[in-house]
Amino acid sequence: EPEVTQTPSHQVTQMGQEVILRCVPISNHLYFYWYRQILGQKVEFLVSFYNNEISEKSEIFDDQFSVERPDGSNFTLKIRSTKLEDSAMYFCASTLESRGNTEAFFGQGTRLTVV
Amino acid sequence: KQEVTQIPAALSVPEGENLVLNCSFTDSAIYNLQWFRQDPGKGLTSLLLIQSSQREQTSGRLNASLDKSSGRSTLYIAASQPGDSATYLCAVGSYNTDKLIFGTGTRLQVFP
Repeated sequence: EPEVTQTPSHQVTQMGQEVILRCVPISNHLYFYWYRQILGQKVEFLVSFYNNEISEKSEIFDDQFSVERPDGSNFTLKIRSTKLEDSAMYFCASTLESRGNTEAFFGQGTRLTVV
Repeated sequence: KQEVTQIPAALSVPEGENLVLNCSFTDSAIYNLQWFRQDPGKGLTSLLLIQSSQREQTSGRLNASLDKSSGRSTLYIAASQPGDSATYLCAVGSYNTDKLIFGTGTRLQVFP
């Protein structure tokens, strides 16, 4: 069964460092997303991406965050200068279509720990 | 603004029981509702997707219903097993937005 793959599974970084989280969405999907879950809190939306541009972003997704689809398979989330409060589980997701009658598939997540 | 809540927050039951997990949302103008399972420290596994025009969906021992007008969905788990122990999340897709709004989750423990 097709799946969304994320690497690394766990990343520890020092405050102020840049991190790049990587995702390989399901191959025929067209819409890509990043969500995050701070420990003990709800899963919350960060950004959606379609046709090589951001479709929608949340208030969390400020100038410290960026997304990119550098090639035909990878989808990345970059945090330029990490803060302690960026520590969370980051999930990548993909859908065949936007909204509508389409199921969202999530990856296993990257646990980011900022020290 | 769409708000999604789930009750109960936690549930502990003996193996074999039939369970009902509840999900409520404040804005009935939804596109779809999806149920997920999350094991500790792991990702989200999609269980069922209910489109706004549907009233229920079934997959094996799982049955999810949707009542848009009352802003509710229920996930019914038949003959629960210890392997069903996990956190169950519902998420709502609404018009004019790409994002899913997630509920608070129900942490289920099924003991032998």
